[in-house]
Amino acid sequence: GAVVSQHPSRVICKSGTSVKIECRSLDFQATTMFWYRQFPKQSLMLMATSNEGSKATYEQGVEKDKFLINHASLTLSTLTVTSAHPEDSSFYICSARETPGTGVLGYGYTFGSGTRLTVV
Amino acid sequence: KNEVEQSPQNLTAQEGEFITINCSYSVGISALHWLQQHPGGGIVSLFMLSSGKKKHGRLIATINIQEKHSSLHITASHPRDSAVYICAVRRIGNQFYFGTGTSLTVIP
Repeated sequence: GAVVSQHPSRVICKSGTSVKIECRSLDFQATTMFWYRQFPKQSLMLMATSNEGSKATYEQGVEKDKFLINHASLTLSTLTVTSAHPEDSSFYICSARETPGTGVLGYGYTFGSGTRLTVV
Repeated sequence: KNEVEQSPQNLTAQEGEFITINCSYSVGISALHWLQQHPGGGIVSLFMLSSGKKKHGRLIATINIQEKHSSLHITASHPRDSAVYICAVRRIGNQFYFGTGTSLTVIP
């Protein structure tokens, strides 16, 4: 089946540093990838939609200069949390939408396993 | 009101019991997903449904589009099934809405 690899699974960083999270589709092409954030005991919230070769679309209230998204290829999207602060500590997860005709899902969605970010 | 409502919020079961988790939604959808989130946060996609019923091992998922309702069933539950189960619906425009999850604990 389709697999989305998200890396790293856990990261601890110092306040003020930047952290990059990768989301990679392993056996299919993903024109569109989505980035979500989850606070403890809350639902997943969409942060932005990433389209290959174009600028990401951010949800209201999400700072695009703080959460940089790059979708440079059909199999890779990255989320960079810049100048991280403790309030950015959260669980980040991506999902990828298979480009029709390129994989096994038949225009399906697959979720990465998530990244737990702790900013100290 | 959330677009996606799950019940129950918490569920404790004895090993071997049959478990049902329900999901109701209020928007038109193109597909519904059931996700499993483990204590460390990692998420696994269990099912993607647009109609009918799917089965994978001890897991069964059903959806009734007319009633805007889906159920996830676990047969012969096991402690390793303990996790949070999340219902997510995808709208026609590809926006996802997520339920807040059902926390399942299966006791040996």
